Amino acid sequence: DAGVIQSPRHEVTEMGQEVTLRCKPISGHDYLFWYRQTMMRGLELLIYFNNNVPIDDSGMPEDRFSAKMPNASFSTLKIQPSEPRDSAVYFCASSLNSRNEKLFFGSGTQLSVL
Amino acid sequence: SQQGEEDPQALSIQEGENATMNCSYKTSINNLQWYRQNSGRGLVHLILIRSNEREKHSGRLRVTLDTSKKSSSLLITASRAADTASYFCATPRGSTLGRLYFGRGTQLTVWP
Repeated sequence: DAGVIQSPRHEVTEMGQEVTLRCKPISGHDYLFWYRQTMMRGLELLIYFNNNVPIDDSGMPEDRFSAKMPNASFSTLKIQPSEPRDSAVYFCASSLNSRNEKLFFGSGTQLSVL
Repeated sequence: SQQGEEDPQALSIQEGENATMNCSYKTSINNLQWYRQNSGRGLVHLILIRSNEREKHSGRLRVTLDTSKKSSSLLITASRAADTASYFCATPRGSTLGRLYFGRGTQLTVWP
């Protein structure tokens, strides 16, 4: 298995632009998580899905952030419009099911908003 | 606020020495996990210890859990330069399994 795949690896954009981050979870995993990592705040859980359904988006910082999971093999995290304070590493992770708490992380997307 | 907090924030040792990292948390948990993050990479799961376990081993890793003190420790024995990484403890919040909250991590540097 290729593991959790995220794209792009790096994204540099200007303030106000729309940014879309992509994630392909491990096949057969029922849970998908989006985390954000910064030096100031560490790792923050933004949103997670169970069987493609968003369960808890209370960690999404503001309405500029949205996430979708149209099918079991694909999820997106969108920021529109982007701001410099959104600069961070965004991780996607998946886990097998509710009985297996182990998370598998992707390599992350390094986002820089200028 | 984050559930788990690691201590120390940074640790620097020589190859062959043991490295001990600690994690404290605030509320009752049913399990605690440790992850490793190499620079520029995603987190990798190391070990999970359940609330009814006191100690668990995996290769050169030893994890302890003291639920009365709400603390855990990760011991890496006979460390290697390749162990250089950040180490995070993670605890579940709420009833939903997999909803993990991570501490700020311990940056471990192992010098050859």
